[in-house]
This record gives sequence, C-alpha cells and structure tokens, in this order.
Amino acid sequence: ETGVTQTPRHLVMGMTNKKSLKCEQHLGHNAMYWYKQSAKKPLELMFVYNFKEQTENNSVPSRFSPECPNSSHLFLHLHTLQPEDSALYLCASSPLGYEKLFFGSGTQLSVL
Amino acid sequence: AQKVTQAQTEISVVEKEDVTLDCVYETRDTTYYLFWYKQPPSGELVFLIRRNSFDEQNEISGRYSWNFQKSTSSFNFTITASQVVDSAVYFCALSEGGDNYGQNFVFGPGTRLSVLP
Repeated sequence: ETGVTQTPRHLVMGMTNKKSLKCEQHLGHNAMYWYKQSAKKPLELMFVYNFKEQTENNSVPSRFSPECPNSSHLFLHLHTLQPEDSALYLCASSPLGYEKLFFGSGTQLSVL
Repeated sequence: AQKVTQAQTEISVVEKEDVTLDCVYETRDTTYYLFWYKQPPSGELVFLIRRNSFDEQNEISGRYSWNFQKSTSSFNFTITASQVVDSAVYFCALSEGGDNYGQNFVFGPGTRLSVLP
C-alpha cells in the first residue's frame, strides 16, 4: 500500500467515448503527476500539479484534460482518444522537494 | 538536458545467480538525485533507493547493493542470490531538483529482469 490509489485498474473504451481516470493520495503531498507508459518507451511525464496549480504540460494533446480539485485528488479526462493512446497511465505524488515519487498501480487503458 | 540510459533491455538469470543492472546518466548540474524503482507485474513503481550527488558511498540493503561512480556517471544496481520474486522491470531515474521538483525527473527505458526457477 503506497497511499496512491488509482481507479479503474483497467479501462477499455471506443474512440468516441468519454471517460475519466481518478487518482487519490492520502500522503499529504503537495504535488501530483500523470505519467504515460507505453510499450517499449520510457515513462513520459504528461502533467504536473503543485498545490493544485498546473505547472507542466509536456505538449500533451488536448484530448487529455487533467483536473486537480484539491491536493489529494487528480483526474485525467479522456475524450476522442486514438488507438495509439493505449498505455498504462500512472499517477504519482511527491512531498515538497525532489525526494521521491510515490506511484499508484496505474490504469491500463485500451482504445479500440 | 539530463538523460538516463539503461543499455540492458532484458536480462534472464537462473535463481540464486547474481545480476547487475547498469545505469548511466547525463546531467550538467552538480546537485542531483539518482533513483531506482522496481515495477512488478502489478504495475506500480516501487521506490528502492535514492542517492544524492554528494554521497558516493556504496549502499547495501539485504540482497540489493548500489554502486555510484561519478567519474563514470554510473549508478549500477546488483541483486545478489536472485529470486523469482525479483522478476520485474527496473527503472533508473535522475532528478536535478530545483524549484520545479518532480518536473525534472527523467526515467531510463527500464531493464526487464526475469529470474527463472
């Protein structure tokens, strides 16, 4: 139990669907992150939120829309995805400073 | 820009063998942190170790040991007497820190370790 919970664990969606990924952390951390892990590619940072404010958007397509209503919750809203968006989406959180990232178990997304 | 290279894509060993996972990094900062994470089949990345750039002492934790050498920009990870439960993907990562913490985390491509019984 790392304190970072992601739901759902698995998601299959069509290209026209709208869905949301949820991440919740109970560690009192101030920063939360979305990472994408595709087969045979390094972990890609998508979004960073510090104190609920988005501070990084690594040129992510607009079909991915993050939301951070408070420092404990992070969402990734998905719409009109492409098959190449199929991947493992990992949420992480960290305390102040660059000590370490705490990861959730991820959501395995398949886009048909 | 920082970069992390893990040249070994996949490694297979037989149980009880020792195995070393290589990590080479690039950074222009003098202050940085190096990490190893383990990703078992469950998907979650599990933190193993963090070292800062000013501490080159090698570290041992049970069957795990880490060799940090600034002269060669390497931070290698050795598992002694490997076990089937060690089978996972292992990631080396680098953080240059600064005010934008977390945003400067760079992960290597990972090494898939298979330990055969």
